[in-house]
Amino acid sequence: GDSVTQMEGPVTLSEEAFLTINCTYTATGYPSLFWYVQYPGEGLQLLLKATKADDKGSNKGFEATYRKETTSFHLEKGSVQVSDSAVYFCALSDWFSGGYNKLIFGAGTRLAVHP
Amino acid sequence: GAGVSQTPSNKVTEKGKYVELRCDPISGHTALYWYRQSLGQGPEFLIYFQGTGAADDSGLPNDRFFAVRPEGSVSTLKIQRTERGDSAVYLCASSLTSSGQMGSYNEQFFGPGTRLTVL
Repeated sequence: GDSVTQMEGPVTLSEEAFLTINCTYTATGYPSLFWYVQYPGEGLQLLLKATKADDKGSNKGFEATYRKETTSFHLEKGSVQVSDSAVYFCALSDWFSGGYNKLIFGAGTRLAVHP
Repeated sequence: GAGVSQTPSNKVTEKGKYVELRCDPISGHTALYWYRQSLGQGPEFLIYFQGTGAADDSGLPNDRFFAVRPEGSVSTLKIQRTERGDSAVYLCASSLTSSGQMGSYNEQFFGPGTRLTVL
């Protein structure tokens, strides 16, 4: 079945460092790909998405490109801030004929950014 | 506007007891999902409602788990004869109804979750 694998954390960085969190997926169809973020004490929030190959999702300085050839969707940010400290989840969703989307998540990567 | 709310935020129960977890979706969202997040893991799909009906319950782990949405809004996840392995954070998400176009996606908005601890 479909699955998502992301790099284990925690990832610890200094403020203004470059961030990469790797994510690869396995899917039989043509999934949409997502990054969700969970800030301390808050619910899951959609950070960015890409719905087809070569699409780039971006939001709040974060970017990820849907690479079908390498089945990857790595998250990057050029300069992290302390406020980016959170748990990041890579996810995929196949479209179902009933018109709904079932999200499949990776295990999550905790990011800690220090001043 | 109000987001997805879940009650209670925390529930501690004893093995063998029955529990109910409630989800209030965003007003106007006809699609509702339940997920379960075990410690150190990502959320796992449990069940999907379109309106009042459970259109996909393939993620429910066994027949001790049941969910309802009688009026197409609030949903209740019910767990009978709880076991220690049921301890997790139970997440609810809602979205607008899909356009039906293949490949389309409606963002799922998540609630804060209910942390269930079975002693």
